[in-house]
Amino acid sequence: GEDVEQSLFLSVREGDSSVINCTYTDSSSTYLYWYKQEPGAGLQLLTYIFSNMDMKQDQRLTVLLNKKDKHLSLRIADTQTGDSAIYFCAESMGAGGTSYGKLTFGQGTILTVHP
Amino acid sequence: GAGVSQSPSNKVTEKGKDVELRCDPISGHTALYWYRQSLGQGLEFLIYFQGNSAPDKSGLPSDRFSAERTGGSVSTLTIQRTQQEDSAVYLCASSFRSGGSYEQYFGPGTRLTVT
Repeated sequence: GEDVEQSLFLSVREGDSSVINCTYTDSSSTYLYWYKQEPGAGLQLLTYIFSNMDMKQDQRLTVLLNKKDKHLSLRIADTQTGDSAIYFCAESMGAGGTSYGKLTFGQGTILTVHP
Repeated sequence: GAGVSQSPSNKVTEKGKDVELRCDPISGHTALYWYRQSLGQGLEFLIYFQGNSAPDKSGLPSDRFSAERTGGSVSTLTIQRTQQEDSAVYLCASSFRSGGSYEQYFGPGTRLTVT
């Protein structure tokens, strides 16, 4: 079955890098996503990576994918207090099935950035 | 452009009553999803509509839950005979398939409280 795991808490100092980790079990996952949720707000798509890629960089965000170990990470460079939020990783299934596109989420990592 | 909108933003209902939650997806998006977010269960997939295909209802927790999507646009999630365990934030998302990725954009959610 599908299972996505994340550590629950991460605390960093402003200006440092943050690394949020995620593991997943479904080897047929095609796309892996990172979402951000600020207090009282909906989910904001940050970035995603296709499963045949190892890395994707987008400004301060770097996504690393180790498909062999089913490990995904999100690195935020020069973390700011505005980055404090809950970060969810999610996977979606491969093409062809009726569940194509459906997201399975991890439980979320609460990132706290201290000044 | 306009994002995904949901109404109402908050709903308080008595146990046993029926509720209807509405989602207006982003114009032109062919896929629409419902998820719910609760403290105990995290983010759970409920149902998925893609174009004119039969919906994927595999995430609906009981037969008290149903959803429809009229005219390929607006969707309504109905919960009959609400129970206290239905209290959660119900999130709607829409997407347009782009190169195989279903980048899902979420609405702000409807917070349902069953008393």
